[in-house]
Amino acid sequence: DAGVTQSPTHLIKTRGQQVTLRCSPISGHKSVSWYQQVLGQGPQFIFQYYEKEERGRGNFPDRFSARQFPNYSSELNVNALLLGDSALYLCASSLGLAGAANTDTQYFGPGTRLTVL
Amino acid sequence: AQTVTQSQPEMSVQEAETVTLSCTYDTSESDYYLFWYKQPPSRQMILVIRQEAYKQQNATENRFSVNFQKAAKSFSLKISDSQLGDAAMYFCAYPSGNTPLVFGKGTRLSVIA
Repeated sequence: DAGVTQSPTHLIKTRGQQVTLRCSPISGHKSVSWYQQVLGQGPQFIFQYYEKEERGRGNFPDRFSARQFPNYSSELNVNALLLGDSALYLCASSLGLAGAANTDTQYFGPGTRLTVL
Repeated sequence: AQTVTQSQPEMSVQEAETVTLSCTYDTSESDYYLFWYKQPPSRQMILVIRQEAYKQQNATENRFSVNFQKAAKSFSLKISDSQLGDAAMYFCAYPSGNTPLVFGKGTRLSVIA
């Protein structure tokens, strides 16, 4: 079975532009989460979507938004890009909702490397 | 704030030897799960091992095992018979509230042939 897939692999944008990143979960998984990983740091949680609804949001500005489609794939949008948005963006999927009250394990995609110039 | 502390930014081990990576965490949850993920240079985050906090028995996956000390909030990873392919960043993580995973800053492991 295919794992979590993400596109594109790399992306270069300039400040002020908008970007859309895409993620397809493992077949049968209904939850998708997004993380930002700045160089030299651990991933930071951005969003979790389950059954097309936002079920958790990290400490990120409103410039970050996401959605989940009926086939459970997801898009992460970032508006008005800043230099500090340069990072590896990771998508993770799980069977059900992931969090402290749940048992589901998250499986990660290969990431999208975003560079903002 | 929920935090994960990995106090060893870098570690090295000789091939075939054993190495232990440290992790401490701070949670107010009564029942939770703990994870170790590996991130090789390819960047893909790979699950290494998972521990349920209510289980007293330490989890084991082939050459990987954990030493879980719930009272001390300590969750270390032991890698036995280290192989060149084990070289990677290792992250300790746990879910907290609606946050699926809170990660530490990672430990970079080098394996010396």
